[in-house]
Amino acid sequence: DAGITQSPRHKVTETGTPVTLRCHQTENHRYMYWYRQDPGHGLRLIHYSYGVKDTDKGEVSDGYSVSRSKTEDFLLTLESATSSQTSVYFCAISEDYAGTQETQYFGPGTRLLVL
Amino acid sequence: AQKITQTQPGMFVQEKEAVTLDCTYDTSDQSYGLFWYKQPSSGEMIFLIYQGSYDEQNATEGRYSLNFQKARKSANLVISASQLGDSAMYFCAIKERYGGSQGNLIFGKGTKLSVKP
Repeated sequence: DAGITQSPRHKVTETGTPVTLRCHQTENHRYMYWYRQDPGHGLRLIHYSYGVKDTDKGEVSDGYSVSRSKTEDFLLTLESATSSQTSVYFCAISEDYAGTQETQYFGPGTRLLVL
Repeated sequence: AQKITQTQPGMFVQEKEAVTLDCTYDTSDQSYGLFWYKQPSSGEMIFLIYQGSYDEQNATEGRYSLNFQKARKSANLVISASQLGDSAMYFCAIKERYGGSQGNLIFGKGTKLSVKP
């Protein structure tokens, strides 16, 4: 199993509160990703990183920011949480990005409830 | 058009029988990869199998095989000899080399498989 941990695993917060989710990997993979999973939508990419301090937006990036100051850590921040951001958040990693055969491995997920 | 279409929201299969989960995709790229993931009720996403667009043979991984029909743009997952532990959501995903997804993994909405004893 890929060494990926996410913290916290569960969080309940109130609307307007800032929230930071952490993804930590021990695989030294260059690429890291944040997805959200909602019923009827599968997984959708929020942001991804292709190296320390190198990040880019995904399909559903509005309302989210990310940071990567170390290879092993990728943070997802909701500056002011809204109820529409209630979701399950997954972190993923991959060794490479450009190759179509590069498999992404997922962390255990974080369940976030915004009241 | 959706990149990945999984037309079966839910399926049932009898234990020890084979089952096929459908996946069709939409891309104009010649180079792409197709992935299947399993998500059990515990929530984790587990990589199952990969098929490259240039692979001449269908991918196989243990009881999992991929029925890849490039001209029809389909990549169906076949699970042989179903087990109770196969009950889960299954997601098909595509990664294009140059397409509009910019190399990111695009997922379908999933199929929920239930294995009956």
